[in-house]
Amino acid sequence: EAGVTQSPTHLIKTRGQQVTLRCSPISGHTSVYWYQQALGLGLQFLLWYDEGEERNRGNFPPRFSGRQFPNYSSELNVNALELEDSALYLCASSRETGVSNQPQHFGDGTRLSIL
Amino acid sequence: GQSLEQPSEVTAVEGAIVQINCTYQTSGFYGLSWYQQHDGGAPTFLSYNALDGLEETGRFSSFLSRSDSYGYLLLQELQMKDSASYFCAVRDRGYGQNFVFGPGTRLSVLP
Repeated sequence: EAGVTQSPTHLIKTRGQQVTLRCSPISGHTSVYWYQQALGLGLQFLLWYDEGEERNRGNFPPRFSGRQFPNYSSELNVNALELEDSALYLCASSRETGVSNQPQHFGDGTRLSIL
Repeated sequence: GQSLEQPSEVTAVEGAIVQINCTYQTSGFYGLSWYQQHDGGAPTFLSYNALDGLEETGRFSSFLSRSDSYGYLLLQELQMKDSASYFCAVRDRGYGQNFVFGPGTRLSVLP
């Protein structure tokens, strides 16, 4: 089965610009998660979508937003880019079955560099 | 909310056994997961402990003790390819069911 796919793989932007990152989950997975991983650091939870709805968001400003489409793919939008937004943005998907903790399957990420 | 703590680095030699600890402070969670991430790669799921006790998957085992707010990942018969970062993670049982990853432990396996 195809894994989680993310595009683009790399992106260079300047401060103040806007960016859209894309993610296609594994077939049959309804949940999509977004994480930010700054260089050498851990994963910071950004957003969780399931069945087209935002279920939860992490401690990030409103300029980080996203959505999930009927085919369960997802977009992450970041407005008014700042230097500290430079990071690897990881998308993961899982089967969402209520309260069970389904393992998350990660894509290879989008490396975003802000100049 | 919750926070997870892990040692930042661990070093061991090929063939050895290493234990990576994860301690947490949380009001409630569904279980403890472990992920492996090689440099430049994506995290990959290793194991999940829903209940207290030991879960074994090949060379890797994971343990959870809710009463001690503690878990660990045990890697046996270490191989060079095991050099990577290892993250523990929980899903909050509270409102919103937030996902929290530990800071990661960088394992270096020496020949």
